[in-house]
Amino acid sequence: DTEVTQTPKHLVMGMTNKKSLKCEQHMGHRAMYWYKQKAKKPPELMFVYSYEKLSINESVPSRFSPECPNSSLLNLHLHALQPEDSALYLCASSRTSGSSYEQYFGPGTRLTVT
Amino acid sequence: AQTVTQSQPEMSVQEAETVTLSCTYDTSESDYYLFWYKQPPSRQMILVIRQEAYKQQNATENRFSVNFQKAAKSFSLKISDSQLGDAAMYFCAYRRETGANNLFFGTGTRLTVIP
Repeated sequence: DTEVTQTPKHLVMGMTNKKSLKCEQHMGHRAMYWYKQKAKKPPELMFVYSYEKLSINESVPSRFSPECPNSSLLNLHLHALQPEDSALYLCASSRTSGSSYEQYFGPGTRLTVT
Repeated sequence: AQTVTQSQPEMSVQEAETVTLSCTYDTSESDYYLFWYKQPPSRQMILVIRQEAYKQQNATENRFSVNFQKAAKSFSLKISDSQLGDAAMYFCAYRRETGANNLFFGTGTRLTVIP
């Protein structure tokens, strides 16, 4: 099973709303990632979790709050977002050791902030 | 800092023909990994092929192969017998061998396949 699942597929939220994005993998990967992708641009790294601990935060505004409840799940909590936060949010996972370091991506959540 | 450059924003190829997508990168590391990812309009990012820098042999996966030139820091992707399903955005990506797990992506090349 090489699948990373993300819910919801689409999300529309107002600037005062609180919502969460969810990501799940069952490949035994101990590294999980959140990326933000604008149209026709490459993904931009937001956060990296390694063994359920936050290891990289790429200076992301505090209105984005990641959480890794266990080794299979990754959440991204959203609060007081701005219209410019509208984007595709991608989750990925990978091994942390061995030769196969490739990241497996989920289908993404298309977020629109109104 | 690592940078990845894809100098071809758009490419097109006739169905059944061969196309090569270019990628160059800048690093001071000697060990690292390089990847080509494909993102079709349906948006899911799919790994196409990977190359370990310590391996001299170029990686191949069915119709996809790479030309890895370590000294030139070049990593091109060749797609043979192009199919309509190959139409997508292709991203070249770099990963350090140790330390942080994150990928450095190029800006992407949009490939159109002409029937």
